[in-house]
Amino acid sequence: GAVVSQHPSRVICKSGTSVKIECRSLDFQATTMFWYRQFPKQSLMLMATSNEGSKATYEQGVEKDKFLINHASLTLSTLTVTSAHPEDSSFYICSARDRRLAGGSSYNEQFFGPGTRLTVL
Amino acid sequence: GQQLNQSPQSMFIQEGEDVSMNCTSSSIFNTWLWYKQDPGEGPVLLIALYKAGELTSNGRLTAQFGITRKDSFLNISASIPSDVGIYFCAGTSGTYKYIFGTGTRLKVLA
Repeated sequence: GAVVSQHPSRVICKSGTSVKIECRSLDFQATTMFWYRQFPKQSLMLMATSNEGSKATYEQGVEKDKFLINHASLTLSTLTVTSAHPEDSSFYICSARDRRLAGGSSYNEQFFGPGTRLTVL
Repeated sequence: GQQLNQSPQSMFIQEGEDVSMNCTSSSIFNTWLWYKQDPGEGPVLLIALYKAGELTSNGRLTAQFGITRKDSFLNISASIPSDVGIYFCAGTSGTYKYIFGTGTRLKVLA
């Protein structure tokens, strides 16, 4: 159980185009999903928290107009990188929290997707 | 953004050896987690710890939640080649945010 998928796994695009990445919880409902960015040989950095039915919460320094997040259902969150530039090239990883665990100590556990490698030419 | 200090940064070990790594924080956490990440993949949860002093095992892996709530340790016994990868600690203080460690790159020599 607790499987999270991401699509696409890899995308290459031209500078100035927009790219949408999907994150799905396959066997559970997630009221909260998270988007991380990971540069080569570095750790994961939280970009934003995506709450179903409400606006995302962005971390300091993350441009909300550039990284658009939509969490329209309990199993799907999308991250759109608008007008992508080479410096946006990175590994984007989502995670989700299982609502069934709410109220228990393990509600803090996040289950991660396999990541999306974005390369902007 | 904030990161936890994880050590060692990398290590080469012989197959069959035991491995220890740790993670320290300047602030208190109420949950510590350990993840393993293979190249090009997302992190996979190894062990989650919820109480100060807690010692939890998962096969050859054992992790401890430090008594001060500011550190955690992960031990891998009798390492095998498939243990290679990057190990990350993560802490959370009851909010939704995970703070990740800087990672420990483990390479096992057969």
